[in-house]
Amino acid sequence: GENVEQHPSTLSVQEGDSAVIKCTYSDSASNYFPWYKQELGKRPQLIIDIRSNVGEKKDQRIAVTLNKTAKHFSLHITETQPEDSAVYFCAVSGAGSYQLTFGKGTKLSVIP
Amino acid sequence: NAGVTQTPKFQVLKTGQSMTLQCAQDMNHNSMYWYRQDPGMGLRLIYYSASEGTTDKGEVPNGYNVSRLNKREFSLRLESAAPSQTSVYFCASSDRLAGEQYFGPGTRLTVT
Repeated sequence: GENVEQHPSTLSVQEGDSAVIKCTYSDSASNYFPWYKQELGKRPQLIIDIRSNVGEKKDQRIAVTLNKTAKHFSLHITETQPEDSAVYFCAVSGAGSYQLTFGKGTKLSVIP
Repeated sequence: NAGVTQTPKFQVLKTGQSMTLQCAQDMNHNSMYWYRQDPGMGLRLIYYSASEGTTDKGEVPNGYNVSRLNKREFSLRLESAAPSQTSVYFCASSDRLAGEQYFGPGTRLTVT
């Protein structure tokens, strides 16, 4: 089955700095790569996603980049704010699959 | 719209007891999912239902059964609870293959 590795497991940044979280996956046929944000005690919520026919996608301060050759994708958050503090999960879905395989999460702390 | 709802929010069981976790969505989505979330493990898929009338095993199905009662409702049953099933359980739904999954608020289950 699909194997998803997510790094780092924890990340602390100063407010205003950038944060980068990286995920690698094993199945070269995977074609859907979402990122979810989970605040403490809350449900996961989609913040951005990318499909295999696109190399980069941006939405205001967040962006995702995909390198299909190397089988990795990254979440970039610029100008971080305290409300960005949360656990972020990457996920991967294969072609024709309903299943999402999640990474183990990155706890991001933004220090004011 | 309430989105995805789950009952109960909290539950404590003794080893060997049974219970059913309920999930309902009002977004007319075809697909529904059950995940468990354990510290440091991310979200792991237990079972999913691609459409009304079908169910399939996910990554960690042992000890669980599911029922897709109708298009709106998808329940998860623990026949004989074990301490290893102590976890937070999330239900989710989506309207298409490899699309955004919308999560419910979660059920925190403790098995003693």
